[in-house]
Amino acid sequence: QTVVTQEPSLTVSPGGTVTLTCASSTGAVTSGYYPNWFQQKPGQAPRALIYSTSNKHSWTPARFSGSLLGGKAALTLSGVQPEDEAEYYCLLYYGGAQHWVFGGGTKLTVL
Amino acid sequence: EVQLVESGGGLVQPGGSLRLSCAASGFTFSSYAMHWVRQAPGKGLEYVSAISSNGGSTYYANSVKGRFTISRDNSKNTLYLQMGSLRAEDMAVYYCARASGWSRIDYWGQGTLVTVSS
Repeated sequence: QTVVTQEPSLTVSPGGTVTLTCASSTGAVTSGYYPNWFQQKPGQAPRALIYSTSNKHSWTPARFSGSLLGGKAALTLSGVQPEDEAEYYCLLYYGGAQHWVFGGGTKLTVL
Repeated sequence: EVQLVESGGGLVQPGGSLRLSCAASGFTFSSYAMHWVRQAPGKGLEYVSAISSNGGSTYYANSVKGRFTISRDNSKNTLYLQMGSLRAEDMAVYYCARASGWSRIDYWGQGTLVTVSS
């Protein structure tokens, strides 16, 4: 049973910077896991932010960036806005087993 | 404009069956893999199933393998999820999502609620 772990919650001040991480129970996350990041606000469908570790969709605000950090996938928000308060999910692709696993989500509070 | 519209959700008894549909528009449906993802009330996202652009390859989470079947009709621009032997733990909002290749998920539908209860 593969488990993908995210911080359950984080708090950041408006204008600040915060990094969310995504770890795999199988070991270090690499680009081969094609990490995706999604934002979900209450009552809404998820919205895609990042794919293949660091690539942004056309609608992704510039303040969002993806990377690999210390064996984990990471999502960094720089210059956080109040509207960034949301749940954030990572998704990893395990090609060998042909399955995808979501992290448990990080609830980001902007305070 | 890319649109994905799920339908078919509703109330079903434990052990029952239901078929979800996802109507796609605004893009060449036959060129994209498609995924189903669910979210139980108050819980996180859970991967359910995926299908390749031509329907030739399908994948399932262990939790639904043998009970759910994903399929697509590229002539109707529609994705399906046939769900059987439904359990209380299958109760969730089911989302369809589009993917470029297998791993670049971009657009999501608004979801359809499946309630499993007697």
